[in-house]
Amino acid sequence: EAQVTQNPRYLITVTGKKLTVTCSQNMNHEYMSWYRQDPGLGLRQIYYSMNVEVTDKGDVPEGYKVSRKEKRNFPLILESPSPNQTSLYFCASSTLTAGPYEQYFGPGTRLTVT
Amino acid sequence: DAKTTQPTSMDCAEGRAANLPCNHSTISGNEYVYWYRQIHSQGPQYIIHGLKNNETNEMASLIITEDRKSSTLILPHATLRDTAVYYCIVWGTSGTYKYIFGTGTRLKVLA
Repeated sequence: EAQVTQNPRYLITVTGKKLTVTCSQNMNHEYMSWYRQDPGLGLRQIYYSMNVEVTDKGDVPEGYKVSRKEKRNFPLILESPSPNQTSLYFCASSTLTAGPYEQYFGPGTRLTVT
Repeated sequence: DAKTTQPTSMDCAEGRAANLPCNHSTISGNEYVYWYRQIHSQGPQYIIHGLKNNETNEMASLIITEDRKSSTLILPHATLRDTAVYYCIVWGTSGTYKYIFGTGTRLKVLA
């Protein structure tokens, strides 16, 4: 089954404790992306990657890091989480080789930073 | 800045057509119009996309104006399960490759 998986689905952590949210896709997609969603603000793109070792900032990259060492994986790293990073996070992927280029989204990770 | 403008919320009676408008006056020639929807806090789901012609699939129809500055997503026979937030996005395979979702339209289908 074609899918995007994220782990963990729920995470409660404390300020300053480094964490990684994993994202993996099994569709051989070139494009991968991370979003955060906060009440009333819709989805905002954090980082995206157009292929292995190619990443770029979205609209809200501050406080986050990403890496794309393998095509299927695109982890989101919070080196020193703060309470304002409490949010619902989505990973997504899409092909860039042929249309319609629609994004496939993971189920989301709900992060709480206390 | 959002590249699209959508109404914040809309209601629609069950069984009637839901027409969701979107303005994208700054769309460039090689950008597509995409529609996604998000039910509760699930991951958004792709609905349909188009470049300049009207499009139809099993979920919806997309009407794009001739000048491409606006579009309308049509759910022909809305059901209660269509209650969701609908996002209109413009995106293309040239330029920045960023996605800008905006805040979408919250559609409530009423029984």
